[in-house]
Amino acid sequence: EDQVTQSPEALRLQEGESSSLNCSYTVSGLRGLFWYRQDPGKGPEFLFTLYSAGEEKEKERLKATLTKKESFLHITAPKPEDSATYLCAVQAQETSGSRLTFGEGTQLTVNP
Amino acid sequence: NAGVTQTPKFQVLKTGQSMTLQCAQDMNHEYMSWYRQDPGMGLRLIHYSVGAGITDQGEVPNGYNVSRSTTEDFPLRLLSAAPSQTSVYFCASSYSHGRPQHFGDGTRLSIL
Repeated sequence: EDQVTQSPEALRLQEGESSSLNCSYTVSGLRGLFWYRQDPGKGPEFLFTLYSAGEEKEKERLKATLTKKESFLHITAPKPEDSATYLCAVQAQETSGSRLTFGEGTQLTVNP
Repeated sequence: NAGVTQTPKFQVLKTGQSMTLQCAQDMNHEYMSWYRQDPGMGLRLIHYSVGAGITDQGEVPNGYNVSRSTTEDFPLRLLSAAPSQTSVYFCASSYSHGRPQHFGDGTRLSIL
């Protein structure tokens, strides 16, 4: 059974204080690992897809990395508008359709 | 470009009532999915489809039906609503395996 565990559950940062969110996963052959951002009352918004260990993707203040067991979402010099819940999900190689297994998310608050 | 559109945004039902949650996408995606999101449990897959006329069960299918008569639409039917089905429901679509899923903004459903 595929499993995704995210930590911490909640994180409070001061504006400009860099940090990392963790996503640990177990899957029988990884097809892809996905990071999403979710704002209150909205659906998840796609950020990154990582396909193989060693891969990195960047977008503005966010950088996602992948190993064989976990992924990190690094946030550099965050701003209050980065406050959101960040979700990690995996898709297994043998999965039919586009099934995703999600973690419970990390709720990030960035104070000005 | 609307993306994934879900209606209604909010709904209150009484136990035993039936209803249909609507989902439409305008990106010509073959793959569509329904998830529910509950506190402390993350997003869980209910049903999914890999194309018109083809559907399959996800992790929590009991009490829900789906059909896919067109590429654009993927409605979710609650046959006899129960309080345990109180949740936020998200519809998503993607181009293919391993490609990111795009989510609607959800339907918030309360069952009394």
